[in-house]
Amino acid sequence: AQSVTQLDSHVSVSEGTPVLLRCNYSSSYSPSLFWYVQHPNKGLQLLLKYTSAATLVKGINGFEAEFKKSETSFHLTKPSAHMSDAAEYFCVVSLTISNFGNEKLTFGTGTRLTIIP
Amino acid sequence: NAGVMQNPRHLVRRRGQEARLRCSPMKGHSHVYWYRQLPEEGLKFMVYLQKENIIDESGMPKERFSAEFPKEGPSILRIQQVVRGDSAAYFCASSPPSIRVVQYFGPGTRLTVL
Repeated sequence: AQSVTQLDSHVSVSEGTPVLLRCNYSSSYSPSLFWYVQHPNKGLQLLLKYTSAATLVKGINGFEAEFKKSETSFHLTKPSAHMSDAAEYFCVVSLTISNFGNEKLTFGTGTRLTIIP
Repeated sequence: NAGVMQNPRHLVRRRGQEARLRCSPMKGHSHVYWYRQLPEEGLKFMVYLQKENIIDESGMPKERFSAEFPKEGPSILRIQQVVRGDSAAYFCASSPPSIRVVQYFGPGTRLTVL
């Protein structure tokens, strides 16, 4: 079984200050982990992914995340928030359906990021 | 290369009607996934299909819901006799036939049941 816990349902930061969105995961297997962003009434866009290579993963728009196996965490960070970062962020863990090689994604409940001007 | 296409983007149905949601995967992608997002919740996996095959439907409700991905044409998620609780955003994702690849999501279909 696998699961994802996003520790904060809402995060508010001032423009220009750092962003930290927390995620812990549980997986019986070596996981693949992702962060997706969803802007209001839009689809999901992939920010970054971890698939057992480098533990520090850089994504789009200045975001990065660090895979820490000992802490079972995959927190998302950005040094300086921009107004356009306001959105819903989902931490996702995948389970490889081994017979077929593809992934079933398990989503966290989301963190709504608000940027204060 | 066009992204994942879903239509309609918005669908309104009255209780008891049928809803058909369509998904065209990205070019070269033969794997399709459907997810449902209820208000204020994350996405929940429903079904995983390859061309002409349902691989994993463990997230599909046992009744009224069905999915297909024919040899030609888009994948269809069909909901019969809709109820108010079916109101949600339904997202389709696609991926190529390789392991540990990224799923690319469509813009979603927002179903409202009156």
